[in-house]
Amino acid sequence: GAGVSQSPSNKVTEKGKDVELRCDPISGHTALYWYRQSLGQGLEFLIYFQGNSAPDKSGLPSDRFSAERTGGSVSTLTIQRTQQEDSAVYLCASSLRGGTGALNTEAFFGQGTRLTVV
Amino acid sequence: AQTVTQSQPEMSVQEAETVTLSCTYDTSESDYYLFWYKQPPSRQMILVIRQEAYKQQNATENRFSVNFQKAAKSFSLKISDSQLGDAAMYFCAYRSKETSGSRLTFGEGTQLTVNP
Repeated sequence: GAGVSQSPSNKVTEKGKDVELRCDPISGHTALYWYRQSLGQGLEFLIYFQGNSAPDKSGLPSDRFSAERTGGSVSTLTIQRTQQEDSAVYLCASSLRGGTGALNTEAFFGQGTRLTVV
Repeated sequence: AQTVTQSQPEMSVQEAETVTLSCTYDTSESDYYLFWYKQPPSRQMILVIRQEAYKQQNATENRFSVNFQKAAKSFSLKISDSQLGDAAMYFCAYRSKETSGSRLTFGEGTQLTVNP
């Protein structure tokens, strides 16, 4: 697609349920990032994928959070046993590649998934 | 670890006037990228302007320009001739140039209101 696509746009779930959030990056982009934006806050890094390398999971807040990226394209962020503090907007971004060269620096963001845990 | 601070949670400006949004950061690295992103109510983050730390010249994109003070670790955004469409949340962000594939580190954001 032309841009980063995320689904669903909004998700309401009951506390304790599992949820899956999907990100479809720009075609050809090898780097993919997940961020979390709590109400009125900046963006908090969660996880980073680069090609076939092992993902950087250093931002995941607990073992209830996991993510995978199949075939180097679509990514799914899974939150198990959701808690009210998980309520936030989850943003996905992709970039051409994750290196440090100038051409690689721009990250393109999706419109996010607003997760509400009730 | 790098940190980014935006000390102005909210700012307002009259249409056609100029406004400056502040950002400071902390890093021990000598080369890196700095960005300003705009987030309208649609939630999608839009890149406004970027600056490479080794470049002394301040970046400019049409009505948007930055004042990059490397020694002071300051990176402010100036919006000239403000338009109603500029109203949004603005985030300052840092990205390492020394670590392959590093993530963006964001400030807390500044909510900009443009008054007609």
